[in-house]
Amino acid sequence: DQQVKQNSPSLSVQEGRISILNCDYTNSMFDYFLWYKKYPAEGPTFLISISSIKDKNEDGRFTVFLNKSAKHLSLHIVPSQPGDSAVYFCAANFGNEKLTFGTGTRLTIIP
Amino acid sequence: KAGVTQTPRYLIKTRGQQVTLSCSPISGHRSVSWYQQTPGQGLQFLFEYFSETQRNKGNFPGRFSGRQFSNSRSEMNVSTLELGDSALYLCASSLTGFSTDTQYFGPGTRLTVL
Repeated sequence: DQQVKQNSPSLSVQEGRISILNCDYTNSMFDYFLWYKKYPAEGPTFLISISSIKDKNEDGRFTVFLNKSAKHLSLHIVPSQPGDSAVYFCAANFGNEKLTFGTGTRLTIIP
Repeated sequence: KAGVTQTPRYLIKTRGQQVTLSCSPISGHRSVSWYQQTPGQGLQFLFEYFSETQRNKGNFPGRFSGRQFSNSRSEMNVSTLELGDSALYLCASSLTGFSTDTQYFGPGTRLTVL
């Protein structure tokens, strides 16, 4: 049972445009959500997080939006840069250290 | 500050063998979690250790076990290897393991079972 779903396995975006990565979850007990970025042959790198008491969190070019009623979160990258090409994972947990990950979306930025 | 290190980076084993993977967390971090990454399943949580105690466990068979030492270094052991155990094994460390604590991942150990 996939509690965190990333339905788009891949996404291509022109450099300078906005990249929007989506994630859906089914467990309403999740109270903390995170996005990780992964390059080949490296471990995931933390990008940005959001608590369930908020609906938006920004950090530079990265913004995460949370819609609790729809059980949906999204990551916006503006503007997209070639170095953003990677696999992006959303993850969630509820009060403990166990992260439940989505299956990832491969983002390709086209120069 | 040095990041999370994992050894070895690559391993090739045959079915039925056992394997031990090692993880050294960031200095000062007391929580170590292990994840398995496969193409079809993404990253799946194996277990988490804090102060030498397993606090949480994922849905993996008993062939998967781990431990943590007093210096917070952790090992993961897989016995009686099966072909399906071929995966990237990642460990992550954090200060306390609380949900709002950022987990920092190592580069992983790529295990291939033949």
